[in-house]
Amino acid sequence: GIQVEQSPPDLILQEGANSTLRCNFSDSVNNLQWFHQNPWGQLINLFYIPSGTKQNGRLSATTVATERYSLLYISSSQTTDSGVYFCAVLTTDSWGKLQFGAGTQVVVTP
Amino acid sequence: DTEVTQTPKHLVMGMTNKKSLKCEQHMGHRAMYWYKQKAKKPPELMFVYSYEKLSINESVPSRFSPECPNSSLLNLHLHALQPEDSALYLCASSQVATVGYEQYFGPGTRLTVT
Repeated sequence: GIQVEQSPPDLILQEGANSTLRCNFSDSVNNLQWFHQNPWGQLINLFYIPSGTKQNGRLSATTVATERYSLLYISSSQTTDSGVYFCAVLTTDSWGKLQFGAGTQVVVTP
Repeated sequence: DTEVTQTPKHLVMGMTNKKSLKCEQHMGHRAMYWYKQKAKKPPELMFVYSYEKLSINESVPSRFSPECPNSSLLNLHLHALQPEDSALYLCASSQVATVGYEQYFGPGTRLTVT
């Protein structure tokens, strides 16, 4: 099956700092989603981005499907950005089975 | 509205109990999913329902029994669970179970088996 690797595994940021999270995948994908899991366990949809670039406030994402990676940018980080960020992909033969990466644990300190 | 609701939020059950988890969505989605998430791990798919029919069972033990009574509702019936089944159980939905459609997750049920 498809492999999804996220880096870095852990990230500690001071409030106001910028950061980039990376997601590499081993095969062509048709869906790619970025999620933020808050400390209470809720998975929040950040982006649905199988290709191209999207922005939502302080967050933006870019997927280069031909090179099999996606990047999530966090600018001017806030303590509420703390949590785990997951990348998840679908391929045409997945039948809805999202394959998640291991996640990036982000801690934003005041 | 992109909301998936789950009840209960927390559940503690003994190994001999029978309980059920409930998931509901009113987005008109025809695909619904159960995922299991252990601490410090990503979610793992358990079941997929497409148009109220079970389409994927990821070799889940029979002590977990899913049910989709209608297009808005998904249940997970639990019986004779083991302590290692303690986890966060997440429900999700999407328009259909194929590529091109975003999955939306509920807040989860945190299950503890004693």
